[in-house]
Amino acid sequence: GENVEQHPSTLSVQEGDSAVIKCTYSDSASNYFPWYKQELGKRPQLIIDIRSNVGEKKDQRIAVTLNKTAKHFSLHITETQPEDSAVYFCASGDDYKLSFGAGTTVTVRA
Amino acid sequence: NAGVTQTPKFRVLKTGQSMTLLCAQDMNHEYMYWYRQDPGMGLRLIHYSVGEGTTAKGEVPDGYNVSRLKKQNFLLGLESAAPSQTSVYFCATWTVDNEQFFGPGTRLTVL
Repeated sequence: GENVEQHPSTLSVQEGDSAVIKCTYSDSASNYFPWYKQELGKRPQLIIDIRSNVGEKKDQRIAVTLNKTAKHFSLHITETQPEDSAVYFCASGDDYKLSFGAGTTVTVRA
Repeated sequence: NAGVTQTPKFRVLKTGQSMTLLCAQDMNHEYMYWYRQDPGMGLRLIHYSVGEGTTAKGEVPDGYNVSRLKKQNFLLGLESAAPSQTSVYFCATWTVDNEQFFGPGTRLTVL
């Protein structure tokens, strides 16, 4: 099955700085790479996704990049704000089944 | 339009007891999933269903059973609960926009 590794497990950044989370996957057939944000006690919520025919996608302060050759993808958050503090999960898979990374706890220091 | 709901929100069981978690969706989605979330391990797929009357095993199916008798409901059963099944359980559907949409979760503690 698919194996997804996510790094780092924790990340502390100063407000206004950028945060980068990286994931690698093992199954070359994977074609869908979403990122989820989970606040304490809440459900995971999709924040951005990318499909294998696209190398980069941006939505305001967040962006995702995909390198299919190297089988890795990354989440970039610019100009971090206190409300960005949460656990972030990457995932990879096909059109209806996903494997998740272990998560990154991001703390934004005021 | 409630989306995806889960019942109960919290439950404490003793080892060996049984229980059923209910997931209900009103979005007419075909695919439904049960995940468990444990600290440092992300979300792991237990079982899933691609339509009414169908179920399939995920990554960690042992100790769980599921049923999808109606399209809108996906039940997760624990026949004999063990402390290792202490976790937060999330139900999810696959939306028409090709996204995984999660329910609010059920926190289960097995003593």
